Amino acid sequence: AQSVAQPEDQVNVAEGNPLTVKCTYSVSGNPYLFWYVQYPNRGLQFLLKYITGDNLVKGSYGFEAEFNKSQTSFHLKKPSALVSDSALYFCAVRDIGTYKYIFGTGTRLKVLA
Amino acid sequence: EAGVTQFPSHSVIEKGQTVTLRCDPISGHDNLYWYRRVMGKEIKFLLHFVKESKQDESGMPNNRFLAERTGGTYSTLKVQPAELEDSGVYFCASSQFRTGTGNSPLHFGNGTRLTVT
Repeated sequence: AQSVAQPEDQVNVAEGNPLTVKCTYSVSGNPYLFWYVQYPNRGLQFLLKYITGDNLVKGSYGFEAEFNKSQTSFHLKKPSALVSDSALYFCAVRDIGTYKYIFGTGTRLKVLA
Repeated sequence: EAGVTQFPSHSVIEKGQTVTLRCDPISGHDNLYWYRRVMGKEIKFLLHFVKESKQDESGMPNNRFLAERTGGTYSTLKVQPAELEDSGVYFCASSQFRTGTGNSPLHFGNGTRLTVT
């Protein structure tokens, strides 16, 4: 069965510092991987996706993610965090056979001024 | 374009009552998904429509949950009778059907927070 794991419930980082939110996956076949962000009382918003091609994927709001096949990871990164980046981040993998998206438990990012 | 709309935003009901959640997807999106998040847990898949057909309903917890998508437009999710463990945030999401490699991202509504007391 396909799955994703987000090992950190919360990540704290100082404004201006680089941030990383971790995600590992388990799939059969090639993974289709996604990152979404949720702000309070809002729905999830798409940030970026990896389907094929370059391992470093760039997305919205200056975020990027690095696909690492050997480590089965897809960590979300940003070179310089903003207070406004504080939100809940979800990693997801799409089931190839059924088009079902499988989400992790979410990581709360807190950027401190 | 208008986004995915969900109604109501909040619902508080007593155990044993019935609640119906509604989702209006983005116009032209054939894929419609229902998900649920219980506090602190992962966002769990409930079911997937392609137009009016149920493509995958493997995530529906039990027969107290009934989802419909009449005419392939809006969808409803009815819980009857509601139990305490049904509390959570119910998200609806839509996407275009298999454009390109079929990996168009999901567009989510703001969710319905259901509290069963």
